[in-house]
Amino acid sequence: DGGITQSPKYLFRKEGQNVTLSCEQNLNHDAMYWYRQDPGQGLRLIYYSQIVNDFQKGDIAEGYSVSREKKESFPLTVTSAQKNPTAFYLCASSLSKGAQYFGPGTRLLVL
Amino acid sequence: GQQVMQIPQYQHVQEGEDFTTYCNSSTTLSNIQWYKQRPGGHPVFLIQLVKSGEVKKQKRLTFQFGEAKKNSSLHITATQTTDVGTYFCAGPDTGFQKLVFGTGTRLLVSP
Repeated sequence: DGGITQSPKYLFRKEGQNVTLSCEQNLNHDAMYWYRQDPGQGLRLIYYSQIVNDFQKGDIAEGYSVSREKKESFPLTVTSAQKNPTAFYLCASSLSKGAQYFGPGTRLLVL
Repeated sequence: GQQVMQIPQYQHVQEGEDFTTYCNSSTTLSNIQWYKQRPGGHPVFLIQLVKSGEVKKQKRLTFQFGEAKKNSSLHITATQTTDVGTYFCAGPDTGFQKLVFGTGTRLLVSP
C-alpha cells in the first residue's frame, strides 16, 4: 500500500528538549517537504529536499533541522531554539515539479 | 518574493448554493494546483492546470486558469456539506524547486 506516513500523531515537548518527527514515503518520490500550519492559518515551508543528501531552507527554517540520508525518509527535528513550536506539522513528497502528496501530520504540543 | 493570495478568506453558504474562490499570483505561473484540506485533516491534491485559459471539471467542481497564467478560480456548483474545508491554490516558485501556497479559502456549508 503506497503512501506517506508520519509519526507520531501527537507529540509533547518539554522546555529545552529536542524532538524528532518522522516522515516516510514509499512512492519513490525524489522531493520531500516539511510544512508548519498554525490554527486557522496556511502552510509555511520549513525545509525541502529535491534529492538524497541535499536539502534547502524554506521560509521558516530557524529552530529546525532535517536530514535526507535515504530517499524514503526525511525526519524533522524541532530544536530547543524554536521558541514557539506548538503547531501542526505536515510532510509531503512529490515527483519533480509534480503534485505534492501529504502525510496525515503530527500535532506538536509544548508541556 | 513571490506571493499567492486567495479571496475570500472565509465563506459560509447554505447547502445548495454555489461557491467560488479566486487565486492571484504576483508572478506568471507555469502551472496552478488546487488542494483541499478537511477540518483536522491534511491537504489533498485535487487538480493541476497547465495551459493558459484551461478549464477542467470534476463533477460539481470547475477549475479555471487565467489567460495570463497569473490567476485561477475554483467554482463549486450546488455545495454539499461534504465540501466543507479549506481550499488552497499553489504554484511553482520561479526556480521550480518548491510550491508557493495561497493563503487559502475556508468554506463552511450549513445544511
